[in-house]
Amino acid sequence: GAGVSQTPSNKVTEKGKYVELRCDPISGHTALYWYRQSLGQGPEFLIYFQGTGAADDSGLPNDRFFAVRPEGSVSTLKIQRTERGDSAVYLCASSFDTAGNEQFFGPGTRLTVL
Amino acid sequence: DQQVKQNSPSLSVQEGRISILNCDYTNSMFDYFLWYKKYPAEGPTFLISISSIKDKNEDGRFTVFLNKSAKHLSLHIVPSQPGDSAVYFCAASGDSGTYKYIFGTGTRLKVLA
Repeated sequence: GAGVSQTPSNKVTEKGKYVELRCDPISGHTALYWYRQSLGQGPEFLIYFQGTGAADDSGLPNDRFFAVRPEGSVSTLKIQRTERGDSAVYLCASSFDTAGNEQFFGPGTRLTVL
Repeated sequence: DQQVKQNSPSLSVQEGRISILNCDYTNSMFDYFLWYKKYPAEGPTFLISISSIKDKNEDGRFTVFLNKSAKHLSLHIVPSQPGDSAVYFCAASGDSGTYKYIFGTGTRLKVLA
């Protein structure tokens, strides 16, 4: 079966531009997570969806970051007015539900803001 | 403030010997701990986990030990194999919800043939 997929694998953009990063979770997984991994760091939690709703967005760094999951499957992470400090690998994960279930990660999208 | 710390950025071990990766945490509310392995250009892959009600969990060549009083956990790999060469992340959850994993900075393990 297919794992978590993320597109694009790499994205280069200029400072101030808008970007969208897409995540396709494992079929049947109701929980979806976004993490950000900066160079030399571990993944850092951004947001968690249970179904269509964002159950916890406490990790989003500021209001330039927004994520949606309109049909409870595919999710899009949206970043407005990108800054050089947004450069990182953005990881998506999904799990069957939440408590005690391991999160399966996608390969990530490497975002570079010039 | 780093709540989960992996103080060794790298470790080299001879094939067949034991690899010991360490992790310390500061938040006593954490009650679930995991180890993930990451190869280049891939996402982290779940390896093994342990609940705070246990002090040891074993899965094949991988064993995780938890010392709650010291707020310390370790991952033992024995025997180590070249394919184990990867970055290993320790993660913890429980304080703000079981879904919110707090990751350490990772330890790069190199198993020498």
